[in-house]
Amino acid sequence: QKEVEQNSGPLSVPEGAIASLNCTYSDRGSQSFFWYRQYSGKSPELIMSIYSNGDKEDGRFTAQLNKASQYVSLLIRDSQPSDSATYLCAVLNAGNNRKLIWGLGTSLAVNP
Amino acid sequence: DAGVIQSPRHEVTEMGQEVTLRCKPISGHNSLFWYRQTMMRGLELLIYFNNNVPIDDSGMPEDRFSAKMPNASFSTLKIQPSEPRDSAVYFCASSTGGRELFFGEGSRLTVL
Repeated sequence: QKEVEQNSGPLSVPEGAIASLNCTYSDRGSQSFFWYRQYSGKSPELIMSIYSNGDKEDGRFTAQLNKASQYVSLLIRDSQPSDSATYLCAVLNAGNNRKLIWGLGTSLAVNP
Repeated sequence: DAGVIQSPRHEVTEMGQEVTLRCKPISGHNSLFWYRQTMMRGLELLIYFNNNVPIDDSGMPEDRFSAKMPNASFSTLKIQPSEPRDSAVYFCASSTGGRELFFGEGSRLTVL
């Protein structure tokens, strides 16, 4: 069973701090990794994608990928109350049956 | 540009009734996905279409669920007969190339 694991949280950080969200996956052949943000009562929206080992930065967001450890993370710098949401990790599995496998999400609360 | 459009936004029905959910994908997107989201199981892929053809329906729970995509701009997900355990938020998403998914606002189904 191919799985994506996330800590459900809630993760609580003060405004201005760095929030660190983690995700592990079981399919070693996975090549594409995504972070989606989902506000309460809303639909998921893509905020970051990463395909190769290392860091990828976009504004206050940094995605980190370590394929050897099967680990992908999302760092949010200078966290704002508007970042409070559930963050979903999604992994595109390898092989012919290329489907996104989703984690259950980590709930983040940024406290003013 | 309009995003993915789903209807109805909310549906309350009684057990045994037929439920039809509708989706209009983003124009030009060739892949369409139906997901179900619950607190316990997260986002579950029910079925996806590529160029209007069903590619993978292994996530459809049972024969009570069916989906169609008669043309590139319309898809339906039907549940007949509905059961209380079908209560969830159903999302439709579309994409080109299967990487970034654009989600509709979802249809919240409650089966009494």
